[in-house]
Amino acid sequence: GAVVSQHPSRVICKSGTSVKIECRSLDFQATTMFWYRQFPKKSLMLMATSNEGSKATYEQGVEKDKFLINHASLTLSTLTVTSAHPEDSSFYICSARDSGPGGGYTFGSGTRLTVV
Amino acid sequence: AQSVTQPDIHITVSEGASLELRCNYSYGATPYLFWYVQSPGQGLQLLLKYFSGDTLVQGIKGFEAEFKRSQSSFNLRKPSVHWSDAAEYFCAVGEYGNKLVFGAGTILRVKS
Repeated sequence: GAVVSQHPSRVICKSGTSVKIECRSLDFQATTMFWYRQFPKKSLMLMATSNEGSKATYEQGVEKDKFLINHASLTLSTLTVTSAHPEDSSFYICSARDSGPGGGYTFGSGTRLTVV
Repeated sequence: AQSVTQPDIHITVSEGASLELRCNYSYGATPYLFWYVQSPGQGLQLLLKYFSGDTLVQGIKGFEAEFKRSQSSFNLRKPSVHWSDAAEYFCAVGEYGNKLVFGAGTILRVKS
């Protein structure tokens, strides 16, 4: 079945630095990927929709300049948290839409970001 | 606007007992409905999905869900729960190909 690889699984960074998270579709092409953020004991909140070859579509309230999304190929989308602060600490999960028969949405394993 | 309600934040069941997790949705058109499971610190795994057709959907790990349009519900069921089913379960609704809207999740605890 469809597999989405996300890494790193965990990252700790200092305040003010930037962190890049990668999301790869391993055995299918994903023209659309989604980035979610999950706060402790909370549900997933969509941050942005990433479209291959075009600008990402951000949800209301999400800072575009802080959360940079690049979807340069059909198998890779990246989320860069720029000038990270402790309040950016969270669990970030990507999802790719599988365009195959009966396809749905496959999720990566998530990235636990801790900003110290 | 789409929305999903999972009324139960926590549910505890005994191993071997039956399980039903509730999900109600609000959506203007025919919804695409999903149930995902998440173990701590992990991503989401698809249990089952409903797009059209038979309203009783079979999924992995012995789970099933029934779409009831009249009740705007898509409840998840399992006849006999195993200790390994302890996790958090999310119901989601969306238009195919577009973003999903998730419920708040239900944490399932299984007692032996």
